Amino acid sequence: GDSVTQMEGPVTLSEEAFLTINCTYTATGYPSLFWYVQYPGEGLQLLLKATKADDKGSNKGFEATYRKETTSFHLEKGSVQVSDSAVYFCALLIYNQGGKLIFGQGTELSVKP
Amino acid sequence: DARVTQTPRHKVTEMGQEVTMRCQPILGHNTVFWYRQTMMQGLELLAYFRNRAPLDDSGMPKDRFSAEMPDATLATLKIQPSEPRDSAVYFCASGWGAGETQYFGPGTRLLVL
Repeated sequence: GDSVTQMEGPVTLSEEAFLTINCTYTATGYPSLFWYVQYPGEGLQLLLKATKADDKGSNKGFEATYRKETTSFHLEKGSVQVSDSAVYFCALLIYNQGGKLIFGQGTELSVKP
Repeated sequence: DARVTQTPRHKVTEMGQEVTMRCQPILGHNTVFWYRQTMMQGLELLAYFRNRAPLDDSGMPKDRFSAEMPDATLATLKIQPSEPRDSAVYFCASGWGAGETQYFGPGTRLLVL
C-alpha cells in the first residue's frame, strides 16, 4: 500500500547549521507530496508542496524536490534558526482516493542557540 | 485570515462518557477530514467528507465513533462510550477538492480517565 517513511528524530542542530530531513514514499499512482510543520501545541501547517516529478517546493528558506526516480522528497534548509524547532511531517496525497493524505511518522527538530 | 476552528480545545472525561468534538471548516471549503494523533500511532485519518457526504470512514472504530456534517459550517466527531485508549489529539482539516492543500485546526486534546 501507499506509505511514507521519514528519518527518525529527534534531530538536534545548532543555529545556522544545514538541515536535511529524509523522506521516501511508496505509491501506486502519481501523488502530490507535501511537508507540513507542527509547532508545539498547534495544528499542522503546510510548509511546501510539489505536484509532479522534478518540481521544487520552497517556503521560508526550506526546499524539497520531488524525485520520482528515487521516490524521495527530502526537506532541506541552508541555515536553521531556533524558531524552526518543530515536528516536520512528510505526506503524500493520492487523487484517486478522494484526496487522502498519508503522513510519515514525523521528525522532531530541535535547534539550539 | 480564514482558519479552521475546533472546540473544545481540551477535554477531560471519564471512561464511558460521551464526547463530542466540533469543527468549523474554512468558509467555502467542501472537504473535511478528521485525524487522530498519538505518540504511538502518529497521525491517522479517521474519516472525511466531501460536500457533507461521507467518503471514507474506514479509519474509525465503528462501534463507538461517529462523524457527521449537519451543515456546511459544522462537522462533528462523537465517541460513545469513550475509553482510555481514545486519549489523543483530534484534528480537523478542511480543503477544496481532492487535490488541494488541507488546512488544519488547532486540535482537541482529549484525555479519557
